[in-house]
Amino acid sequence: NAGVTQTPKFQVLKTGQSMTLQCAQDMNHNSMYWYRQDPGMGLRLIYYSASEGTTDKGEVPNGYNVSRLNKREFSLRLESAAPSQTSVYFCASRVKQRGGSEQYFGPGTRLTVT
Amino acid sequence: AQRVTQPEKLLSVFKGAPVELKCNYSYSGSPELFWYVQYSRQRLQLLLRHISRESIKGFTADLNKGETSFHLKKPFAQEEDSAMYYCALMDAGGTSYGKLTFGQGTILTVHP
Repeated sequence: NAGVTQTPKFQVLKTGQSMTLQCAQDMNHNSMYWYRQDPGMGLRLIYYSASEGTTDKGEVPNGYNVSRLNKREFSLRLESAAPSQTSVYFCASRVKQRGGSEQYFGPGTRLTVT
Repeated sequence: AQRVTQPEKLLSVFKGAPVELKCNYSYSGSPELFWYVQYSRQRLQLLLRHISRESIKGFTADLNKGETSFHLKKPFAQEEDSAMYYCALMDAGGTSYGKLTFGQGTILTVHP
């Protein structure tokens, strides 16, 4: 199992450009999440998808859109990138077990907007 | 609203010394608490969850509902413990869909 994969690993954008961050998981998990990681702020939830066909806003959704293409894939789109969106983006998927739940994270995408 | 606070941004100890990473939370419901760790250039991975009451890599954490804390402890730190540690909270109720609220993170450095 590859677990949670993300592409690209690194990206530099100019202000106003658009791009899509891709995420896929091969663990048959229902729920998937997008977080951004900023120094001193921890990880903050951008959007999540509780199950295939549903998406909902998290704590910091402004400037982003998402698509849950199928059970495996959950993409994050920046329509018009801004310097404030410079961050490391993590995708995660969740398994619910008898002993509780656990989120599995991807390796991250480091995005710089100039 | 739920909130997780990790008061120490940086923590340095020497190898073999005890270490405690603090985590306080505010939440009125039924929380599930986690510690995640991120080693250099690696992805976040789950270290502990309070429900399991287990010890992983020598780390333990006890949920103290009276003090609303979930501090992470290890009696003898090792150099390989150097990493970023995040405390996280999830609403254990059915409508949370597993969303996590993270603290700001603590960078632990263990010196030889």
